[in-house]
Amino acid sequence: GNSVTQMEGPVTLSEEAFLTINCTYTATGYPSLFWYVQYPGEGLQLLLKATKADDKGSNKGFEATYRKETTSFHLEKGSVQVSDSAVYFCALSGPASGYSTLTFGKGTMLLVSP
Amino acid sequence: SQTIHQWPATLVQPVGSPLSLECTVEGTSNPNLYWYRQAAGRGLQLLFYSVGIGQISSEVPQNLSASRPQDRQFILSSKKLLLSDSGFYLCAWVAGGSRRNTIYFGEGSWLTVV
Repeated sequence: GNSVTQMEGPVTLSEEAFLTINCTYTATGYPSLFWYVQYPGEGLQLLLKATKADDKGSNKGFEATYRKETTSFHLEKGSVQVSDSAVYFCALSGPASGYSTLTFGKGTMLLVSP
Repeated sequence: SQTIHQWPATLVQPVGSPLSLECTVEGTSNPNLYWYRQAAGRGLQLLFYSVGIGQISSEVPQNLSASRPQDRQFILSSKKLLLSDSGFYLCAWVAGGSRRNTIYFGEGSWLTVV
């Protein structure tokens, strides 16, 4: 079956530091990959996505590249802000479900201090 | 544009009482609809999904049920709540099933069973 593994948090950084949150996956076929963000007390928002190998998703300064050879989709940002403090979820959808259901990682909390 | 709403946003219910959470989607027709739960300290768990009116698939056997009485309405229910039903419940939708589709989430409903 499908699974997503992401690094455990919390990740604590100072403002303007470089961020990497690791995500690896196991899936049959060619999944689509996503990063969602959950700000305190809110629902999930799509941050970025990639639908095929070597695609790079990007949004709000965040980037992630679909690496099929390493089955990874690591999230990066060059300079984090306090407002980036949130929980980040890596997820995939696969052909077995018609790309219609998501499998999530457990989430990684990011705390950015001024 | 498409929007998704769910309510109530928060509720505190005694053990053994019934539950009804409602979710509606606007701006699309025949969406796939989902209920996820996020329990404290745990990741996101898919509870139910529906591909059409009256069609419900259950992912995890539990104390909850779901119904889809109209195309863009999805309801999560329980006849008798348990303490373990506490958590953050998220409704989600996607239009169709292809690798390019994205699943979008509502604002979430916080349920505390006391």
